[in-house]
Amino acid sequence: AQTVTQSQPEMSVQEAETVTLSCTYDTSESDYYLFWYKQPPSRQMILVIRQEAYKQQNATENRFSVNFQKAAKSFSLKISDSQLGDAAMYFCAYRRGGGTYKYIFGTGTRLKVLA
Amino acid sequence: GEEVAQTPKHLVRGEGQKAKLYCAPIKGHSYVFWYQQVLKNEFKFLISFQNENVFDETGMPKERFSAKCLPNSPCSLEIQATKLEDSAVYFCASSQHTRETQYFGPGTRLLVL
Repeated sequence: AQTVTQSQPEMSVQEAETVTLSCTYDTSESDYYLFWYKQPPSRQMILVIRQEAYKQQNATENRFSVNFQKAAKSFSLKISDSQLGDAAMYFCAYRRGGGTYKYIFGTGTRLKVLA
Repeated sequence: GEEVAQTPKHLVRGEGQKAKLYCAPIKGHSYVFWYQQVLKNEFKFLISFQNENVFDETGMPKERFSAKCLPNSPCSLEIQATKLEDSAVYFCASSQHTRETQYFGPGTRLLVL
């Protein structure tokens, strides 16, 4: 069975600094997708970034980028120039490319941004 | 619509009462997913639909939980005889195709007293 592990329950970063959130996953599949979602106190799930396993190039979205290490089954999220509005829970998620398409989530990392 | 809509936002039920949650997927999206997020932030997949057909129900506690997606109606998730441990935020998500990103609704917070 596939699993997703976020080993950092909580992280802090100074405003304008850079922070990296870790995520590892376990799968025997070759076709899959990985996601980072942001969940602010409102509980709304906001897609931050998505990575297709077949793509070697790391996905980027403005200040957000990933370091996708397929062999190591690692998918970390880097937030550059951190802003107060980045404070939230961040969830890493995995989804198979075929068969059932449910997301498997990690347990989340709470990011605090210090002014 | 352009967003997944969920109603109600909050729901309070006494133990043993019924709870019914609704989800309107984004127009044109064929797939609907229900997830339960318990207070410890853990997500649990419940069930998914392809149009009105159940696609995957491996996460459903079948004794008390049921779900439907009927044509021209919001999808629904119903819990008969709620228990304290059903207290959670229930998210609905939709996607256009199986390989597409799932877009989440704002969730329904269920509190069972």
